[in-house]
Amino acid sequence: SQQGEEDPQALSIQEGENATMNCSYKTSINNLQWYRQNSGRGLVHLILIRSNEREKHSGRLRVTLDTSKKSSSLLITASRAADTASYFCATDASDYKLSFGAGTTVTVRA
Amino acid sequence: DAGVIQSPRHEVTEMGQEVTLRCKPISGHNSLFWYRQTMMRGLELLIYFNNNVPIDDSGMPEDRFSAKMPNASFSTLKIQPSEPRDSAVYFCASSLGTQDEQFFGPGTRLTVL
Repeated sequence: SQQGEEDPQALSIQEGENATMNCSYKTSINNLQWYRQNSGRGLVHLILIRSNEREKHSGRLRVTLDTSKKSSSLLITASRAADTASYFCATDASDYKLSFGAGTTVTVRA
Repeated sequence: DAGVIQSPRHEVTEMGQEVTLRCKPISGHNSLFWYRQTMMRGLELLIYFNNNVPIDDSGMPEDRFSAKMPNASFSTLKIQPSEPRDSAVYFCASSLGTQDEQFFGPGTRLTVL
């Protein structure tokens, strides 16, 4: 079963705009990870945020985590065509088992 | 490092045939995961190895599926006999430790006719 659920399912934005997607989960976690998947490729790890962290940055990515609301958000600033991909949040349902959401498909229009 | 290597990249077979998918994890990684991705069910964990030992195979659909990791640098996922509903993209991933980021291979797209 999928613990993490991304919202929205799909997002279309103009190049240069920011893209925000959210992830909600059900049970307590140790950490939450975000991955990107380009069409026909494997998943690529973007960022990991631990349960005692509230915000983390990596380049144009900003991730927040609110454990009281059991939610996380991923912000991509100044989007580029190369950001077109599906984005997944993954929570650790156990020490090793990551539970992936269904993903948000982001399309960046030139 | 070349990353996680999977072969073949594409496999088309007929129902009833045996299919073997292969994975070479990143050198030094202790954990290896096999996933299956479909439109209907998303990304599902099939089996997890730690230090070459299968720890959790509860995600393996049924007895037709088996996985081995004879050494730290090689793992196989076998489906025998294959069925059309096994058609999916199968990913192998490895990580340094159990809670570390996972590095995914490019996947094997399996089509069972």
